[in-house]
Amino acid sequence: DTEVTQTPKHLVMGMTNKKSLKCEQHMGHRAMYWYKQKAKKPPELMFVYSYEKLSINESVPSRFSPECPNSSLLNLHLHALQPEDSALYLCASSLTLAETQYFGPGTRLLVL
Amino acid sequence: AQSVSQHNHHVILSEAASLELGCNYSYGGTVNLFWYVQYPGQHLQLLLKYFSGDPLVKGIKGFEAEFIKSKFSFNLRKPSVQWSDTAEYFCAVNARTAGGTSYGKLTFGQGTILTVHP
Repeated sequence: DTEVTQTPKHLVMGMTNKKSLKCEQHMGHRAMYWYKQKAKKPPELMFVYSYEKLSINESVPSRFSPECPNSSLLNLHLHALQPEDSALYLCASSLTLAETQYFGPGTRLLVL
Repeated sequence: AQSVSQHNHHVILSEAASLELGCNYSYGGTVNLFWYVQYPGQHLQLLLKYFSGDPLVKGIKGFEAEFIKSKFSFNLRKPSVQWSDTAEYFCAVNARTAGGTSYGKLTFGQGTILTVHP
């Protein structure tokens, strides 16, 4: 089983809203990731967690706040987003940082 | 920092034609290499990967790729494509540290859209 689940599938939010994206895996993976994918572009890494600790932040604006409450869960808290933040947000996980990353279906976010 | 270049943005083929998608990466050290596929309306799926050993790797659905270290290349091939192979294909690189671990920074190429006509 190589399933990564993400909720919600779609999200529409205003620029003053606070919302959260959720990602879950039950494969025993110890590394989890957030990516952003704009239309017709490749995924771009945002954050890397390893053993529930943030190991990489790719200079992401503070309006995006990741959280890893346990080894199976990864959240992305959103606050005061801009319309240009509209994108597909992908979560991935891997056994370790060197291993294959498995992707979830993504949350399609629209910021109005 | 590593980077990945995919030579073709859009490839159009007829069924049964052979496929080769080019991928070159830029990184001086050891890398793990991947091809992912994104079918219309579906999420990214692993097609195949290379970590070490035999440079010719086989993946799902009849795809294979060859790692040529001297050319920093990892080209994807399929001898006979099907209409169901219509999708976007991404080459990706994960650089490894001197100790053999990784920072987990998966870098993707720009993607190649493959359209197969029946």
